[in-house]
Formats: sequence, C-alpha cells, structure tokens
Amino acid sequence: AQKITQTQPGMFVQEKEAVTLDCTYDTSDPSYGLFWYKQPSSGEMIFLIYQGSYDQQNATEGRYSLNFQKARKSANLVISASQLGDSAMYFCAMSRSTGFQKLVFGTGTRLLVSP
Amino acid sequence: KAGVTQTPRYLIKTRGQQVTLSCSPISGHRSVSWYQQTPGQGLQFLFEYFSETQRNKGNFPGRFSGRQFSNSRSEMNVSTLELGDSALYLCASSLDGVRSGEKLFFGSGTQLSVL
Repeated sequence: AQKITQTQPGMFVQEKEAVTLDCTYDTSDPSYGLFWYKQPSSGEMIFLIYQGSYDQQNATEGRYSLNFQKARKSANLVISASQLGDSAMYFCAMSRSTGFQKLVFGTGTRLLVSP
Repeated sequence: KAGVTQTPRYLIKTRGQQVTLSCSPISGHRSVSWYQQTPGQGLQFLFEYFSETQRNKGNFPGRFSGRQFSNSRSEMNVSTLELGDSALYLCASSLDGVRSGEKLFFGSGTQLSVL
C-alpha cells in the first residue's frame, strides 16, 4: 500500500521568502509518481509539480521545485519568492507509475503568506 | 478550454435522502474520478469511470455509485445519506487515467452537508 505523510499542519512565511513543505512517502512499488497540488479556499485542487521515481533531476515548475530524495523517501516542495496568493492548503500525493493513476494524498499543509 | 465543472456547488440534505452530483470533464478527457474530502479522513478515492464503465473503485459502501455518459460527463449518487457523508466531493478528469505522471484536473467540488 502507498502512504503519504505530511507532518506540518501549518506553515507561516513572509512574502518574498522561500518555504519548504515536507512530504515523506512509503510504497513497495518499484516505480511511482509524486505530485503536489494546491487547494485554495475555492476548493479546486490545482496541479503544481510532478516527479517520477526514476527521474534523474529534481522537477521544477516556475517558482516551484521538488526536492526529491529517494533514499530518504522524501519529496519536499520548495516555493521560492512566496506571494500572498500562495496562501492555501498544499497536498502531496503519489500514484503508481503504471496502470490507473489513482492518487493517494497526504493530510495537507496549510500555508499562510504574510505581507 | 473550459475546466472541470461540478454542480451543484452546495447541497444540504437530511439523513436517509439520496443525492446526485454532476461532473462535466474537460473536453477530450475520457477518465473521470471522484474523491471524497473530509476533515477526519482527508482525501479518499471513490471510483473512476472510463468509456462509460467503472474501471476502478475505492473502499466505499455500495450506497456510493456513479455512472458516465457517452459524452464523458459523470454523475455520482449517494443513497440513504448518513451524517458521515458530509464532505467535499471532488471530481477530476484526465485524458485516459493511465499515463505515468498524468495530471488530474479537478473541479471546485460539491460541498454536501447532511443534517
């Protein structure tokens, strides 16, 4: 079974600073995918970034980067230059790399960005 | 391109009633998944439909059912509502649901309150 753990219920950061949201995972699958989604108060889950377990380089998407440490089974999200609009819930999720891409989610981290 | 549309946005029902939620996926997407989000259990996979067939199912009782139409629109039905069914129900669509790293595009959800 796959499991995602997010140990930070909430994080605070000042505008323009960088912040790291932690995610550890557990799986017996030899290959898998890791995702981060953002959920603002509107409820919609917004895709941020994806990392495949066999990808050699850490994924980056604009201000988002994924610090993937396979041996530690961690996939932390780094947001650089935080903006007020980054205030939201952030979910780490994983899927198998083959077959149906069901997402298993962590419990989420609420990020608050202050001016 | 229009995003995933879920209707209604809010629903209030009483115990024992049944409810139907609707989801219109992004044009061209054939896989539609449903997730339940509650404060206690987090985000949990309900089921997935592809080409009008339920292809994958999560661990929910038979009171939860769904269907998909030929235009890929999907409905989810919950019969004999219980207080614990109060949740945000999220619909997600993707091209075919089985590609490694395939993004899921989520709607804003239907907030169901059972009184």
